[in-house]
This record gives sequence, C-alpha cells and structure tokens, in this order.
Amino acid sequence: DIVMTQSPDSLAVSLGERATINCKSSQSVLDSSNSQNYLAWYQQTPGQPPKMLIHWASVRESGVPDRFSGSGSGTDFTLTISSLQAEDVAVYYCQQYYSPGPITFGQGTRLEIK
Amino acid sequence: QIQLVQSGAEVKKPGASVKVSCKASGYTFTSFGINWVRQAPGQGLEWMGWISVYSGNTKFAQEFQDRVTMTTDTSTTTAYMELTSLIPDDTAVYYCARDYTSGSDPDAFDIWGQGTLVTVSS
Repeated sequence: DIVMTQSPDSLAVSLGERATINCKSSQSVLDSSNSQNYLAWYQQTPGQPPKMLIHWASVRESGVPDRFSGSGSGTDFTLTISSLQAEDVAVYYCQQYYSPGPITFGQGTRLEIK
Repeated sequence: QIQLVQSGAEVKKPGASVKVSCKASGYTFTSFGINWVRQAPGQGLEWMGWISVYSGNTKFAQEFQDRVTMTTDTSTTTAYMELTSLIPDDTAVYYCARDYTSGSDPDAFDIWGQGTLVTVSS
C-alpha cells in the first residue's frame, strides 16, 4: 500500500496569512508515461462530505478560489492557501489514486484561525 | 445538477448486514465509476472499494474484500454497497463518490454523496 503522510497534523494561521500543508507518499505517484502525478487534495468542513479542491497535484477544480494551489511531484506535495479566509477552516486531506491497491488518504490536517 | 443522494441512517446489531444506496442524477451514470469511502467518528477517510458502472468490474481494499459487495442498477441509476458481519468498529459515515474521469481504474473523486451514518450496536 502507498502510505500518505501529512504534516502538520494541525495548523493555526492568522486571517490573510499563508497556510501550507505538506503531503508525502511512501512511493512515487508520478506516472512517467503521461507525466501526471496522481494526487488530489480535499477540504472537509464539519458535517459535510469532502470537496475536491485539486487533482493531478496542481489542477484546481472548477469553482475553487485561486488562493488554493497545489504543487510538487513524485513523493512530495504541498497545498498552499495564499491568504487565509474564515471559510477555509476545515480538515484537509491528500489522496493518491496512482495505485488502486488501495486508494489511500493522508491522515488529515486540521486548519484553524490563529 | 450532478448529484449523488444516499439512503438514510441505519442502526444494526453486530453480525448483521447493511445495504446503502446512492442514487445518481444529472450525468450519464454508466460513464463514471463509483467509489465507497467511510469515515469513523472523528477519524479520517478510508477507501473501501470501487465499481465500474460500465463493466461491473470491482476493486476492493483488502480489509473489506470478504465482507463487501458493490453493485449498480443502471435502470434506476443507483449504486449499492452491502457490508456483512458488522462489528461495532464498522460504525461510521459511509460515502459514495464519483470518479472524476471515466476509466478502468478509480480516480480522484469529484462528486460525493451526503453520507449515510451506520451505527453498529447491541
């Protein structure tokens, strides 16, 4: 299984400041045949299902504010929120879909307002 | 609009089975696979498995291989997940989620159901 490890487990950032969440996979999720990283990021607010923010490591889903960005390749990835808004308080998960044996998620990072 | 609507909360006794439904609307049902993901109270996300609506092919997490069945009914655009031999640790919110693209393997998940709480208690 590909193990996904996020850091930190929790994070407190002031409104308007940058938030950075890291995700490391135990093996590469880069497919060299198409140069795609099979890595997605999700946001989950209390009582709601997760919402996909980014797929292919850096492609923002339609309707997602441009303050959210994804970067990285191979085994190391980052989700950045450039200017934290109150509505961004949530738990964030990374997910690899390179190998369905099984699909795996990171443990989650709780983002709060400082 | 594109949506997945799941069946309501269930309370089951240990050893029983549960079958959760997920009705799709707003898109061509056979074009995208459906995944099932569960979330225990206060915990993270756990992928259970995937079904190709087009072919009926399935892939499961090894932990659930012997206890889960995933099916679809294209006439009603509904996907089903049945979990047998329930134990208290199966208490969780169960989500269905659609593949972002159509293919022969599970993908990122762009549309999620609202979740179904399954409580296992004697």
